[in-house]
Amino acid sequence: AQKVTQAQTEISVVEKEDVTLDCVYETRDTTYYLFWYKQPPSGELVFLIRRNSFDEQNEISGRYSWNFQKSTSSFNFTITASQVVDSAVYFCALSQYNFNKFYFGSGTKLNVKP
Amino acid sequence: EAQVTQNPRYLITVTGKKLTVTCSQNMNHEYMSWYRQDPGLGLRQIYYSMNVEVTDKGDVPEGYKVSRKEKRNFPLILESPSPNQTSLYFCASSPLRGPDYGYTFGSGTRLTVV
Repeated sequence: AQKVTQAQTEISVVEKEDVTLDCVYETRDTTYYLFWYKQPPSGELVFLIRRNSFDEQNEISGRYSWNFQKSTSSFNFTITASQVVDSAVYFCALSQYNFNKFYFGSGTKLNVKP
Repeated sequence: EAQVTQNPRYLITVTGKKLTVTCSQNMNHEYMSWYRQDPGLGLRQIYYSMNVEVTDKGDVPEGYKVSRKEKRNFPLILESPSPNQTSLYFCASSPLRGPDYGYTFGSGTRLTVV
């Protein structure tokens, strides 16, 4: 079965703290994609990153970084020096390689306080 | 501007009154999908379409219908809405492969069935 688990329902940090959002996935496929999306209070969903199962390189984009570990089936997301504008719900997602179905986690709400 | 357009943004209706939520994309994407978002459950896939005239069920298709007569449009039809279909709905599209692979979401439709 395909499944994405985001165990952290809500996290609160103070601005400039680092924060890591956890994502654990289950799949029987050997080839798959993993994603992170951001949903700010305005409600839209914004694509952040895509990773395929062949590429375990970590990625950094400004204050954002992602740690993909197949051995633990995890795809964690770290925000360094958090800002109030990072306050949002973050979703981790998994898709099969033939891209017919997507599976989203239940989301982690991040509150960054000034 | 490349986008997915959903209409309406907000809709209040009564139980049993047929309704259609429209979704249109201008990016020539093959893949389109509908999701509903409910608190604590994340996004759940309702239906998806890999191309014109090709549709398939997601995880929660009961009570919904879709059609894909043209590549750009993927309407969601509720033939007899019920209160348990009150939710936030998102349409999304994606190419099937390539560097842009991954969802572009519409702005969402908040549906209330009374």
